[in-house]
Amino acid sequence: RKEVEQDPGPFNVPEGATVAFNCTYSNSASQSFFWYRQDCRKEPKLLMSVYSSGNEDGRFTAQLNRASQYISLLIRDSKLSDSATYLCVVNGANQAGTALIFGKGTTLSVSS
Amino acid sequence: SAVISQKPSRDICQRGTSLTIQCQVDSQVTMMFWYRQQPGQSLTLIATANQGSEATYESGFVIDKFPISRPNLTFSTLTVSNMSPEDSSIYLCSATLLTAENPPYEQYFGPGTRLTVT
Repeated sequence: RKEVEQDPGPFNVPEGATVAFNCTYSNSASQSFFWYRQDCRKEPKLLMSVYSSGNEDGRFTAQLNRASQYISLLIRDSKLSDSATYLCVVNGANQAGTALIFGKGTTLSVSS
Repeated sequence: SAVISQKPSRDICQRGTSLTIQCQVDSQVTMMFWYRQQPGQSLTLIATANQGSEATYESGFVIDKFPISRPNLTFSTLTVSNMSPEDSSIYLCSATLLTAENPPYEQYFGPGTRLTVT
């Protein structure tokens, strides 16, 4: 089983749509979870950290299910500018600065 | 967040030569890392750059091929040695801020160095 698995997509949606991405991870000891966004030919940028209670930042909502080792990202009211690759990222054990394990990314294309 | 700069931003090199990539962070950081992203792939960790000591390499990466230095908290270099076309990739530096005492230990990335080996 791969350490972090994502549906690669692509997800092609119209503006205003709601889209959800899912991710599973294999290391049950992982403590930190993130969604990063990567635009073409750019570096990954932190979109949001994912907390056990779930968290929301504007149109973006992240959920974590530790029992199922499952992470999700919901994007509401999609904008053209949301088009990018979304990377599910998991930290290792509870240790400061442990390197990140990246999923292969889910590609989103929002069209007008 | 942190501002991370890398140079060069891109280079085209001949096989058999070496290239050193520099990474500078504008904040005090705890950890620095070097990643590689090959075309169409996600990021793969090369090593953790340890201040004042040898880097910690991941499986499949060795010091002779990717020597790393980190002389202080905010600066690190990665050298890609004896390059071959298979080393063509984007190399990214990342850092965790010193103030990140508890999870989630967010990491920030430099803009990357796009290397092409001919």
